[in-house]
Amino acid sequence: EVQLVESGGGLIQPGRSLRLSCAASGFSFDDYAMHWVRQAPGKGLEWVSGISWNSGSIGYADSVKGRFTISRDNAKNSLFLQMSSLRAEDTALYYCAKGMYFDWTSPARSWGQGTLVTVSS
Amino acid sequence: EIVLTQSPGTLSLSPGERATLSCRASQSVSSTYLAWYQQKPGQAPRLLIYGASSRATGIPDRFSGSGSGTDFTLTISRLEPEDFAVYYCQHYGSSPRYTFGQGTKLEIK
Repeated sequence: EVQLVESGGGLIQPGRSLRLSCAASGFSFDDYAMHWVRQAPGKGLEWVSGISWNSGSIGYADSVKGRFTISRDNAKNSLFLQMSSLRAEDTALYYCAKGMYFDWTSPARSWGQGTLVTVSS
Repeated sequence: EIVLTQSPGTLSLSPGERATLSCRASQSVSSTYLAWYQQKPGQAPRLLIYGASSRATGIPDRFSGSGSGTDFTLTISRLEPEDFAVYYCQHYGSSPRYTFGQGTKLEIK
């Protein structure tokens, strides 16, 4: 069974940095792309970033480009999102999701339960 | 940038009825890269349809997807009580960029 467990969320001041982690299990992590998708309170889904199986191809939403960095450690079955220069509009529940294929241009097949990031002074 | 517009915003139907949800793209997209998700309150989204018309593993056959170009449809043939949720369409290609529609809330009438 695929399991994705996010961690690292919390209350953070504007302008500061935060690193999210996602621990994956139940599948061959290094065979699949991974994504971060966020959902602001009471709002819809927003794709944040995706990374291919070998980190060779990466994509970002325009809203986070230059501020967020996605990475993965296949040896540790882990996905990361380094977030810097955080803004109030980054407040959201951040989901880790497994892609259907090796490339990040694939739909999100399985999802974690999310970790909440609140950016506020 | 591609924009996906879903309609209606809210759809009120009864169990047993047929639901038709629309997703319109601001420019033509390949049907290869069009997906639908279901999200229930307090839960993570669930992939229903990918490639515009292929059901994901474990999805009941009352869910079907269709469309091409700029107009795509999710149809639920006979609504079950557990189908009342929010539905999102998604484009997952690299160009235009990966994006979601704003969602359609399917509520019990």
